[in-house]
Amino acid sequence: AQTVTQSQPEMSVQEAETVTLSCTYDTSENNYYLFWYKQPPSRQMILVIRQEAYKQQNATENRFSVNFQKAAKSFSLKISDSQLGDTAMYFCAFVNAGKSTFGDGTTLTVKP
Amino acid sequence: DAGITQSPRHKVTETGTPVTLRCHQTENHRYMYWYRQDPGHGLRLIHYSYGVKDTDKGEVSDGYSVSRSKTEDFLLTLESATSSQTSVYFCAISGGAESSYNEQFFGPGTRLTVL
Repeated sequence: AQTVTQSQPEMSVQEAETVTLSCTYDTSENNYYLFWYKQPPSRQMILVIRQEAYKQQNATENRFSVNFQKAAKSFSLKISDSQLGDTAMYFCAFVNAGKSTFGDGTTLTVKP
Repeated sequence: DAGITQSPRHKVTETGTPVTLRCHQTENHRYMYWYRQDPGHGLRLIHYSYGVKDTDKGEVSDGYSVSRSKTEDFLLTLESATSSQTSVYFCAISGGAESSYNEQFFGPGTRLTVL
C-alpha cells in the first residue's frame, strides 16, 4: 500500500514571498502520477499541478512548480509571488492505476 | 468542476437511519469514486467504480455500499448511519476522452451529520 506524508501541518508566508510545501511518499511502483490539490474554504478541490513519474522534467504552472525527486520519493510544491488567494489547504496525492492516496494536508496562510 | 454534481449538499440525519448520497456526471468519464474527508485527514477512498455495475472497495469501505447502474450516476449508501460517519463526502471522476484516468476531477462535496 502507498503512503503519502505531508510533514508540515501549517505554514505561513508573507504576500509576494516564496514558500515550499513538502511531500514524501512510499511506493514500490515505478509508474505513477503525483498531484497537488488546493482546497480553499469553499471546500472545492482544485487541481494545482501534476507530475508523471516517467518524466524527469519538473512540472510548472505559472507561479506553481514542483521539485520531483523520484529516487528520494519526494514531491515538493513551490509557490512563487504568494497571493492572498493562495490561502488554502494543500494536499499531495499519489495515483497509480486510477487509485489515489492523499496526504493529510498543509494549511497555508498568506499574510498581507 | 468537469460537470459533477452531488446531492444533497448538506444532510442531517439520526443514528440508525439509511442515507443515500448521489453523484451525477455529465462528462462520460468511466471511473467514479467516493471519498470521505475528516478533520486532520486528507481524502480517504471509500469505494470506486471502473464501469457500469463494476465497483470495488477502497480503504474505508466498512459500513458503506455503492451502486452504479448507469455511467452518469454513482450512489453511496449508508445502510444504518452511525456518528462515526459524520464527514464531508466527495465524489470524483476520471478517465475521460481527453484526460488520463489517473487525473481526478472532484464534485463540490456533501456535508453529512449523523446525530
